[in-house]
Amino acid sequence: EVQLVETGGGLIQPGGSLRLSCAASGFNVSSNYMNWVRQAPGKGLEWVSVIYSGGSTYYADSVKGRFTISRDNSMNTLFLQMNSLRAEDTAVYYCARWGFDCWGQGTLVTVSS
Amino acid sequence: DIVMTQTPLSLSVTPGQSASISCKSSQSLLHSDGKTYLYWFLQRPGQSPQLLIYEVSSRLSGVPDRFSGSGSGTDFTLKISRVEAEDVGVYYCMQGIHLLPWTFGQGTKVEIK
Repeated sequence: EVQLVETGGGLIQPGGSLRLSCAASGFNVSSNYMNWVRQAPGKGLEWVSVIYSGGSTYYADSVKGRFTISRDNSMNTLFLQMNSLRAEDTAVYYCARWGFDCWGQGTLVTVSS
Repeated sequence: DIVMTQTPLSLSVTPGQSASISCKSSQSLLHSDGKTYLYWFLQRPGQSPQLLIYEVSSRLSGVPDRFSGSGSGTDFTLKISRVEAEDVGVYYCMQGIHLLPWTFGQGTKVEIK
C-alpha cells in the first residue's frame, strides 16, 4: 500500500527551527518528485517545495532561503528543514508525491510566542 | 506565477442534482508534451486533500464516474452528477505545468441542502 506519514510538527517560537519528516511506504521517494504543501488554518492549499528525482530543489518565494527540502533514500523519507519561522508559517504541512495521488495526513506547525 | 481562479466559491446542492465548478488559469496549461496539467482535488472536512481528476479529465482509479472533468487551455470545469452526501467538502483545482510554483485555486466549498 502506498502511504505517506508526516511527523515533526509542534509549537515553536518565532525565529525558531523545526524539521518535518515524511516517511514513505509502497514506493521509492528517490524515484519520484516529492512535494511539501501547506494549509494555513481556515485557508486554501499552498505549494511549498519540491525535490526532483535527480535532486534539484525548488521553493515558493514565501519560504525561499529559510526552508530546505531533502530526502534520505536509505530511510525512504522526505524532510523539510524550516528555519527563521514566522507566524505566517503556521499551517498543516502535507507531503505529497508528484501526480498528487498520494498525500500524508499532515502535521501541524504553530509558530507563536 | 500562474493564477488559478475558481467560481463559485461556495455551492449548495440538493442531493441527486448536479453541480459544476469552473477553474480558469491565467496562462495555458497545455505543455509541449501534449498534456494539460490540470488537477482536481476534494478535501473532506478534517481530511487531507484527495486527487479526483488529473490531466483535465482522467479520473483516478476508484473515483466514482459521477465526477467528470473537461476543458482545455485556460478554462476547465469539474462536474459532479447526482451529488451525494459524501461529496461535501472543498474542491480545489491545481496547475502542474512545468512552470513553478504550482498553484491552487481558492477552493469551492460544496454543501448539501
